[in-house]
Amino acid sequence: AQKVTQAQTEISVVEKEDVTLDCVYETRDTTYYLFWYKQPPSGELVFLIRRNSFDEQNEISGRYSWNFQKSTSSFNFTITASQVVDSAVYFCALSSAGSARQLTFGSGTQLTVLP
Amino acid sequence: GAVVSQHPSRVICKSGTSVKIECRSLDFQATTMFWYRQFPKQSLMLMATSNEGSKATYEQGVEKDKFLINHASLTLSTLTVTSAHPEDSSFYICSAPQLAGVLNTDTQYFGPGTRLTVL
Repeated sequence: AQKVTQAQTEISVVEKEDVTLDCVYETRDTTYYLFWYKQPPSGELVFLIRRNSFDEQNEISGRYSWNFQKSTSSFNFTITASQVVDSAVYFCALSSAGSARQLTFGSGTQLTVLP
Repeated sequence: GAVVSQHPSRVICKSGTSVKIECRSLDFQATTMFWYRQFPKQSLMLMATSNEGSKATYEQGVEKDKFLINHASLTLSTLTVTSAHPEDSSFYICSAPQLAGVLNTDTQYFGPGTRLTVL
């Protein structure tokens, strides 16, 4: 069975601070995909990143960066110089390899960035 | 990126009525779509997998007679909540995978969600 754990239920930071959201996963698959989604108060899920299990290269996109550590089954997400607009619930998710697979979501982390 | 739409975005209905929610992939075809349910301040829970041209696959504990799913075409799946009750009030979200190349590195795109309130 697959499992995604986001131990941080809520995080509050002051604007311009850096913040890291943790994600630990469990799977028996040798090939899998990891995702991060942002859910603002409007409710719509916004896709942020997909990482394949065979690609451990870390990725940076603007103020966002992701650290994939296969050895510790973690896929952490860092926001640099946070902004108020970053306030949202962030979900880490996992899917098996192959097409059209459903996602297993973590419980989400509520990030609040204070002005 | 790919777009998935849902309609309606919000619905309020009386107990005992049925509500239909549509999920459309706007610029790609999806033989499979997924329906999730999200309670306030909780994560998304998969309800069922909608398969074009065949029966939906329901997750354990989800009543298939209550949550009817029809995948009528490669771009449309519908979820009908039959004889809705207050406990069915929730945020319903659909998703559709867009395949990308021979490695099947599909990405799930989510609809904006439908907030159902049953009075």
